[in-house]
Amino acid sequence: AQKVTQAQTEISVVEKEDVTLDCVYETRDTTYYLFWYKQPPSGELVFLIRRNSFDEQNEISGRYSWNFQKSTSSFNFTITASQVVDSAVYFCALRTSGSRLTFGEGTQLTVNP
Amino acid sequence: AAGVIQSPRHLIKEKRETATLKCYPIPRHDTVYWYQQGPGQDPQFLISFYEKMQSDKGSIPDRFSAQQFSDYHSELNMSSLELGDSALYFCASSFTLGYYGYTFGSGTRLTVV
Repeated sequence: AQKVTQAQTEISVVEKEDVTLDCVYETRDTTYYLFWYKQPPSGELVFLIRRNSFDEQNEISGRYSWNFQKSTSSFNFTITASQVVDSAVYFCALRTSGSRLTFGEGTQLTVNP
Repeated sequence: AAGVIQSPRHLIKEKRETATLKCYPIPRHDTVYWYQQGPGQDPQFLISFYEKMQSDKGSIPDRFSAQQFSDYHSELNMSSLELGDSALYFCASSFTLGYYGYTFGSGTRLTVV
């Protein structure tokens, strides 16, 4: 069975602070894909990143960076110099041999001015 | 670029009524997925179709049914609606079972009163 755990239910930071959202996953598959999605108050799911299990290279995209560590089954997401517009619910998700996505419970990030 | 189109955006129904949600995938995407997201919860997989055949089934109630048509659009039919069916329903589409990622629609917000 697949499982994604986002232990941080809510995080509140002040603008310009760095913040890391944790994601731990469980799967017995050797081939799998990990995703992060952002869900702003308007409700849509915005794709942020996809990473396959064979690519442990960390990635940086502007203020966003992702740290994938197979040894600890973690795929953490860091926002550098957070902004108010980053306030949203962030979901980590896992795709294994089936094509469905299994989502974590989400982390509500609030960035205060 | 064309996105996944869901209609309607909002729907209000009374208990025991029937609702039909529609999803138009990105052109050339051959797989469609339906997810249900209750208030404050993560999206839960309902069902998926690949090349017009059901490819996977999740926690979809027996009162719900879905299909994918020859033009690849999909419809989720919900009967005998209950208050607990109130949720945001997402459709996503992908090419070849999601190996290259998923694109989500903006969702249909169903309210059962």
